Amino acid sequence: KQEVTQIPAALSVPEGENLVLNCSFTDSAIYNLQWFRQDPGKGLTSLLLIQSSQREQTSGRLNASLDKSSGRSTLYIAASQPGDSATYLCAVTIIQGAQKLVFGQGTRLTINP
Amino acid sequence: SAVISQKPSRDICQRGTSLTIQCQVDSQVTMMFWYRQQPGQSLTLIATANQGSEATYESGFVIDKFPISRPNLTFSTLTVSNMSPEDSSIYLCSARQGQRSGYTFGSGTRLTVV
Repeated sequence: KQEVTQIPAALSVPEGENLVLNCSFTDSAIYNLQWFRQDPGKGLTSLLLIQSSQREQTSGRLNASLDKSSGRSTLYIAASQPGDSATYLCAVTIIQGAQKLVFGQGTRLTINP
Repeated sequence: SAVISQKPSRDICQRGTSLTIQCQVDSQVTMMFWYRQQPGQSLTLIATANQGSEATYESGFVIDKFPISRPNLTFSTLTVSNMSPEDSSIYLCSARQGQRSGYTFGSGTRLTVV
């Protein structure tokens, strides 16, 4: 059974810092990995999608890497801003069966002005 | 990627009543998904909604409690039946357009049962 773990559970940093969020998964049989952002009480916004054959994806100040063989992904946020404060969720699409999305527990990020 | 409109965005309901949540996708999608997010928790898949067939429910979720409709390739509803305070959660629908496409989510329905 696929399990996704995110470390740390919460992170608080001053504005302007670069930071890294970590995600690990137990089964490398995935189609892709997706990073989402969730603001309190809201839905999910997709940030980056990495296919299983890719190593990284970039969007603006965000860079996500994928090492499928070791079951790890990182989300790098450059020059953090208070508006980046949110919960960040990592999820993998499993290959078996209905190709479900399996989520980690999320990292709650706070950027202090 | 697809855009999903979900409504209502929030509701406060009396215990014992039912609430139907709607999701409209701006393009045809084969599979839609319904999730529950309890306070402080990550997302849990309730069921997969396929057009033209009955929904497939995950362990711990049953059709009598969470009936789902999928009348066409752009629309789905989830009903939360006979609600109790334990049903207070955010409910989200999701869809994807192809095997290697990412998932898109609706804006969520924040349900409070009193």
